[in-house]
Amino acid sequence: DVKVTQSSRYLVKRTGEKVFLECVQDMDHENMFWYRQDPGLGLRLIYFSYDVKMKEKGDIPEGYSVSREKKERFSLILESASTNQTSMYLCASKRGFNEKLFFGSGTQLSVL
Amino acid sequence: GQQVMQIPQYQHVQEGEDFTTYCNSSTTLSNIQWYKQRPGGHPVFLIQLVKSGEVKKQKRLTFQFGEAKKNSSLHITATQTTDVGTYFCAGRTSGGYNKLIFGAGTRLAVHP
Repeated sequence: DVKVTQSSRYLVKRTGEKVFLECVQDMDHENMFWYRQDPGLGLRLIYFSYDVKMKEKGDIPEGYSVSREKKERFSLILESASTNQTSMYLCASKRGFNEKLFFGSGTQLSVL
Repeated sequence: GQQVMQIPQYQHVQEGEDFTTYCNSSTTLSNIQWYKQRPGGHPVFLIQLVKSGEVKKQKRLTFQFGEAKKNSSLHITATQTTDVGTYFCAGRTSGGYNKLIFGAGTRLAVHP
């Protein structure tokens, strides 16, 4: 089975801090994604990557950046955390175009 | 922008009753996927529908894709407590290579 691992389950940070969320997948998937999940809003795409060093903006990229230096790892960076970035962050990966998404367990980030 | 509306937002049923969640898109979809998220868990892929008018079944779950490929539904017959969770639809538009547009989800509660 595909495993998508997110480095932290819970994270508490202060406003203005730089925050790194790490995600690793073990099935050699080309495509990786970062979503945030908020009640009543579903899952919204922040950034995605279809290859090493490639990245594309999703629907809500403002305040975030990403890094994909290796195929298995996709990092989400909050350059200067703000309280409105308090959310559940979900990493996902998939192999090809019409394939299904495999999600990590999520990181619940609280920005105080 | 492109949206996928999902209703209802929340439903609670008695065990044994049926349950249906509906998704409607503002644009024609190339395919639609359904995911289930158990409480405290992460979304897990259930099924993908591709063809106009397609109907697929998984035990007590019936998935439909509309003739115009703009709507979809998930129907659960005789709910069980194990069906508890949030059900998300996710539609892919014809131009959206990696962009699945998620509905806000329907949270199902089942009372024994």
